Amino acid sequence: DAKTTQPTSMDCAEGRAANLPCNHSTISGNEYVYWYRQIHSQGPQYIIHGLKNNETNEMASLIITEDRKSSTLILPHATLRDTAVYYCIVREANAGNMLTFGGGTRLMVKP
Amino acid sequence: EAGVVQSPRYKIIEKKQPVAFWCNPISGHNTLYWYRQNLGQGPELLIRYENEEAVDDSQLPKDRFSAERLKGVDSTLKIQPAELGDSAVYLCASSLVGQGLSYGYTFGSGTRLTVV
Repeated sequence: DAKTTQPTSMDCAEGRAANLPCNHSTISGNEYVYWYRQIHSQGPQYIIHGLKNNETNEMASLIITEDRKSSTLILPHATLRDTAVYYCIVREANAGNMLTFGGGTRLMVKP
Repeated sequence: EAGVVQSPRYKIIEKKQPVAFWCNPISGHNTLYWYRQNLGQGPELLIRYENEEAVDDSQLPKDRFSAERLKGVDSTLKIQPAELGDSAVYLCASSLVGQGLSYGYTFGSGTRLTVV
């Protein structure tokens, strides 16, 4: 699986949009971009994934650049409960079906 | 739905003692994973089961770690004997794998092991 690069930490004001970047310049054509988050003392939780097109669900939006070398996870109105470590992962849908985690971005939402 | 259930939630043991963690995956999920997460790092895969077969255990330290998934449902991960460096959170996850794709990759809350 291709590697990803994320900032170590970010801050965001409560109620504002949180934009979390991820670089995956070596992504291959059949690799998806997945986002998970891990709130303190819990296991990672699935947020969203995409291949080429931008995606939106009830939790977040995923913007993937046209060349697919980077993406941004957007939490439109961050709350204190969104404070967590956010992991960007690229993987083939059938690559042993494993998730390989990097260090992630620690997002701190502040009042 | 209960989700992926792990027990115990916390465990403190002395070094050289044995310890076991239990995981019950989501009903119907045929694939089960054990991960280890050291403080401040992302989870790392230890072993992956497809039904009752361990299909990837390359990262499992086999001198002291063992795992089993009898009947292809719940699973146990054991460490014997435990070392100080084994202190970590042990996470279990499950997914449904079909036609080469996986769905519903879901994690449990983990077991936090402290070896003293």
